[in-house]
Amino acid sequence: AQSVTQLGSHVSVSEGALVLLRCNYSSSVPPYLFWYVQYPNQGLQLLLKYTSAATLVKGINGFEAEFKKSETSFHLTKPSAHMSDAAEYFCAVPGRVGAGGTSYGKLTFGQGTILTVHP
Amino acid sequence: NAGVTQTPKFQVLKTGQSMTLQCAQDMNHNSMYWYRQDPGMGLRLIYYSASEGTTDKGEVPNGYNVSRLNKREFSLRLESAAPSQTSVYFCASSGWSNQPQHFGDGTRLSIL
Repeated sequence: AQSVTQLGSHVSVSEGALVLLRCNYSSSVPPYLFWYVQYPNQGLQLLLKYTSAATLVKGINGFEAEFKKSETSFHLTKPSAHMSDAAEYFCAVPGRVGAGGTSYGKLTFGQGTILTVHP
Repeated sequence: NAGVTQTPKFQVLKTGQSMTLQCAQDMNHNSMYWYRQDPGMGLRLIYYSASEGTTDKGEVPNGYNVSRLNKREFSLRLESAAPSQTSVYFCASSGWSNQPQHFGDGTRLSIL
């Protein structure tokens, strides 16, 4: 089954600094990958989605992620952190269920990375 | 533009009590999901419904049941609540398998 690993449960940056949140997927290439963001006391919101169309994916709020097959990675970056970026971030990959291996949209989430932004 | 609506938002139960968490979506999505979120463990899938009339177990189904009432609604039932079920529960929906999931705001459940 597909899985993702997020390295670093907490990341702390200063406002204006580069944000780098790490996500590695298991060895088989997934057809798509997601990054979600969760603000306090809210549900998850989609930041961006990778399909095979482009390896560099731009999302909302200035975030982007690059798919690197050689490194089995899909790290999330933002050039300049803002206080409003403080949240928990999740990487997700489709699961496989059913006899035909169809995912039915089922996702497997990483354990999350809490981003703190200091003034 | 409601999206995915969950009720209630907060609930406190005593051990052994039962309750049903409600979820409704207005996006005409085929698939719906129930997750629980616990600190440091990400989201874990409890049950899902690939389409109206079908339900299947996820990673952590023990102690839960679900009903896909119609295309819009997917409920999660705790028959006999246990303290280990204290968590934040999220409902989500998606169109087809390569489409993103849309999440509700969660139900914060405490079991004493």
